[in-house]
Parts: sequence; C-alpha cells; structure tokens
Amino acid sequence: EAGVAQSPRYKIIEKRQSVAFWCNPISGHATLYWYQQILGQGPKLLIQFQNNGVVDDSQLPKDRFSAERLKGVDSTLKIQPAKLEDSAVYLCASSLGAAPSQETQYFGPGTRLLVL
Amino acid sequence: AQSVSQHNHHVILSEAASLELGCNYSYGGTVNLFWYVQYPGQHLQLLLKYFSGDPLVKGIKGFEAEFIKSKFSFNLRKPSVQWSDTAEYFCAVPTFGIKAAGNKLTFGGGTRVLVKP
Repeated sequence: EAGVAQSPRYKIIEKRQSVAFWCNPISGHATLYWYQQILGQGPKLLIQFQNNGVVDDSQLPKDRFSAERLKGVDSTLKIQPAKLEDSAVYLCASSLGAAPSQETQYFGPGTRLLVL
Repeated sequence: AQSVSQHNHHVILSEAASLELGCNYSYGGTVNLFWYVQYPGQHLQLLLKYFSGDPLVKGIKGFEAEFIKSKFSFNLRKPSVQWSDTAEYFCAVPTFGIKAAGNKLTFGGGTRVLVKP
C-alpha cells in the first residue's frame, strides 16, 4: 500500500515569510498527526485530527501555526510568519483508527524546514 | 503530563555486541509502550509495542523490549547487533486525554546507534 506522502521535502525561507506543508495520509486512515522534530530531539505533536476534526492542538503555536484537514483526507500545515526557531523537520503521520494510544502510526518522510 | 527519558543520546558499538537502550516514563497508570526506529534515509517506523500480557515483547529484526512496571521502564535490547541496525531509536508512551481520541504519543529524545562493521 502507498505510504504517507509529504511535500515539499525541503524548504528554505527567510524569517517572517510564510510556508505551507502538505500531507496525504494512507487511504482510509482516520487519524492524522503533525509533529515537529527539532534537531537532536524526539518528535513533538503539534496537532492531531480525527477525520476532519481537531482532537488535540494544545502544543500548536496558534499565533503563527495553522492546520486543516479538508474532507478528512489531505492536510496542510502553515506557518505565518516563520521564526528562526521553527527550523525543524515537520513529520506527518496517520493511523487507522481513533485510539492513538494503541494504534501504530505510519510516518511520512518529513519536510525539512530551514528558516534564515 | 507524561515525560519520557532516554538515557543515552549516542551509542557506538561493534557488530555482534549486545545492545540495550534505556527508556523511562513518568506516568504510572496502565500504559501502552512503543519503540520506533528511523534508519538512515528512511521514515520513522514501528519497531515493537507493548499493550498487555507478557512483559517481554518481541519485535522485528530480533529486537525485544521488557516492560518493568515497578521501574517505569521499557528498555530495548538486541543480543547481537548488525551494521544494518545503525539507526535512531525512539521510545514513545501515550499521554491520556479526556477522551480516547485525545490520547497522544509522547516521544523520548531518541538514541543514535552506530554499529561499526
């Protein structure tokens, strides 16, 4: 089966610019996750969707980050305006059901963002 | 809030050596426990998981992990590593929300393992 797709793979922007990332989860997967992984750290959950509804966005910096999942399939994550500390790999993952504490998450290749 | 500690940031060892990576978590209730692995140039993927039952869990590629509830630990082991085990390993533990759908995984900081041929 096709895996989780993400684009772009790499992005370099200047601070205060905006950027958007796209994710296409595995077909049929109900839950979609966006993680931020800063160099040398583990992935940190930014936002979690079940179908097209948000179930957790407690760690999303809402003054600059936004995300949506239209029609419960693809998702976009946007940063506007970007700061230097946003430099990280942004990972998208999906899981089949609606119990994230038990489900296997399938990760995409990530988007590596560098903010100059 | 749940916290996950992986004690070693970097491990270097030779082929055929034994590997043990430590993972400790803070929440003491019933937990599901995961180890994920990222091989060079590949996606993060599940290595093994524990839900209940036998505290010794077998995963892919000869890995196993032992859940010790009294120590809040879920250490990963492999008796004899290969060069292809070079990767970054992440322990992950759920943080529970009000509803099951609000549960989420908290990842440790990862351990980079380099196996010398």
